[in-house]
Amino acid sequence: EVQLVQSGAEVKKPGESLKISCKGSGYSFTSYWIGWVRQMPGKGLEWMGIIYPGDSDTRYSPSFQGQVTISADKSISTAYLQWSSLKASDTAMYYCVRHPADYWGQGTLITVSS
Amino acid sequence: DIVMTQTPLSSPVTLGQPASISCRSSQSLVHSDGNTYLSWLQQRPGQPPRLLIYKISNRFSGVPDRFSGSGAGTDFTLKISRVEAEDVGVYYCTQATQFPWTFGQGTKVEIK
Repeated sequence: EVQLVQSGAEVKKPGESLKISCKGSGYSFTSYWIGWVRQMPGKGLEWMGIIYPGDSDTRYSPSFQGQVTISADKSISTAYLQWSSLKASDTAMYYCVRHPADYWGQGTLITVSS
Repeated sequence: DIVMTQTPLSSPVTLGQPASISCRSSQSLVHSDGNTYLSWLQQRPGQPPRLLIYKISNRFSGVPDRFSGSGAGTDFTLKISRVEAEDVGVYYCTQATQFPWTFGQGTKVEIK
């Protein structure tokens, strides 16, 4: 069974750093693109970027370039999304998803508040 | 970026009646490999999105056959033949033909 399991909810302060994870199982992790999607409270879905774990080819949507870093460790079938300095506007649910959007993680809720 | 425009943004429907959602892209979604990477997702309240349809018209595993997709090029449609209570939620089209991949704004389906 294909599964993407994300790390748990986080409450952080502005300026703090954070790295969340997405562990794949039940399929060849290195053979599918993994994407990250943001959903701000009450809003729609936004693609942030994608990574191909097989060779770590990574692409960012223009709105997120320079704002986050996407990485993967294929030895443990895990993709990551990280921030070096969080803002209140990063408060959102974040999903990892296998291309072609067939399997989704359960979501990680990030709350950034002073 | 390819802009995906969905209509309507809200669709009140009667149980048992059909529903239809349109998705238009600002550019052709035909990939150089010949495929059209247009998918439809359903997001029920409080849940992650779920894939319904991929490559225009292919139902994903476990998706009821009352859901169907059609279209070509820049114009696509999701149809629900007979709406059931469990179909309430927000529906999104998304393209993965050209990066950055993009979503439509979402269409809220609710029961009248």
